[in-house]
Amino acid sequence: NAGVTQTPKFQVLKTGQSMTLQCAQDMNHNSMYWYRQDPGMGLRLIYYSASEGTTDKGEVPNGYNVSRLNKREFSLRLESAAPSQTSVYFCASSDTGIRPNQPQHFGDGTRLSIL
Amino acid sequence: DAKTTQPPSMDCAEGRAANLPCNHSTISGNEYVYWYRQIHSQGPQYIIHGLKNNETNEMASLIITEDRKSSTLILPHATLRDTAVYYCIVRGSNDYKLSFGAGTTVTVRA
Repeated sequence: NAGVTQTPKFQVLKTGQSMTLQCAQDMNHNSMYWYRQDPGMGLRLIYYSASEGTTDKGEVPNGYNVSRLNKREFSLRLESAAPSQTSVYFCASSDTGIRPNQPQHFGDGTRLSIL
Repeated sequence: DAKTTQPPSMDCAEGRAANLPCNHSTISGNEYVYWYRQIHSQGPQYIIHGLKNNETNEMASLIITEDRKSSTLILPHATLRDTAVYYCIVRGSNDYKLSFGAGTTVTVRA
């Protein structure tokens, strides 16, 4: 059972380049999330998708776009990368169907450096 | 707006129980207490959550005080692999985000 899979695991970009981070889950979860974690800080929510076909902004959405491709996949795109977007990006999913307050399950992250 | 307060660090001896405290004095009636941990360079790992009753699973036990203003995560037999940052998070039923604070850095020593 793979859970939440993120690709790539590492990436180095130049300022101004674009890139899409991929996330897929195999737990049939309704909701998916993108967070970023900067050194010494907690995770901050970038965007989330409560269900297939919907997306909403989180705390720090500027500079990012997302696509909920289908129930399994939720991608995060940086259109014009900036050094301030150097971070570790985590994708998560949760089952928000009938049972409330189900926990979020995380992938192992994409470590992104922008020069 | 910090909803939880945890000690910054604690040590634990291998094989002993680790008791991790968390204060959440402003918790409201529909908010759950969640515990996650993050081992270096990995994604956060869900441990346990609860509303008001004590909870136990294969990883840990969660003890919530009767007034719900504080809780304790218990790792019954700590191993070296339990060394991690542990996060106590309060989350309402309508909240989509998890607000991670600084957490408690737990070091298990042989």
